Amino acid sequence: DTEVTQTPKHLVMGMTNKKSLKCEQHMGHRAMYWYKQKAKKPPELMFVYSYEKLSINESVPSRFSPECPNSSLLNLHLHALQPEDSALYLCASSQNRVPGNTIYFGEGSWLTVV
Amino acid sequence: LAKTTQPISMDSYEGQEVNITCSHNNIATNDYITWYQQFPSQGPRFIIQGYKTKVTNEVASLFIPADRKSSTLSLPRVSLSDTAVYYCLVGSYSGAGSYQLTFGKGTKLSVIP
Repeated sequence: DTEVTQTPKHLVMGMTNKKSLKCEQHMGHRAMYWYKQKAKKPPELMFVYSYEKLSINESVPSRFSPECPNSSLLNLHLHALQPEDSALYLCASSQNRVPGNTIYFGEGSWLTVV
Repeated sequence: LAKTTQPISMDSYEGQEVNITCSHNNIATNDYITWYQQFPSQGPRFIIQGYKTKVTNEVASLFIPADRKSSTLSLPRVSLSDTAVYYCLVGSYSGAGSYQLTFGKGTKLSVIP
């Protein structure tokens, strides 16, 4: 089973709202990722967790707050977002973070900020 | 960071073999080359990965020359359902020694009936 599950699939939120995106994998992977993808652009790395510790934060604004409660779950907390934050948010996981490890992606959560 | 260069777009007729070449001149000695396929509104899907020479699976082949500065994804007998964006990825190490994969611009393949 090579499945990464993301919820919700679609989310519309106002600029003053607080919401969360959730991601789950049961492959025993110890690395989990958040990517952001704008229309017709490649995915851009936002955060990486390795063994439940944040190891990469690609200078993402603080209105995005990641959380890794355990090795199977990854959340992205959203607060005071801007319309330009509307995008597809992709969660991914891999066994760990060494060359040769395959990264598996979820289907994404479409976020619209109004 | 390692960088990949691919053609922006390619067209092919159904039933033809399609070869997409990716340039990665600065690939690290221990790094692998990975290809993903992405349909609109979906997450990227792993296609194939290799280190050197040739790798084949049920959907594609990957050819990597000895110098590893480029790679070619080969899709046999494409169909309309192969219309997608194809990404070639190699890893890189940040200043802190942290390994990560970075997406390039990708190749939009359009299969024509």
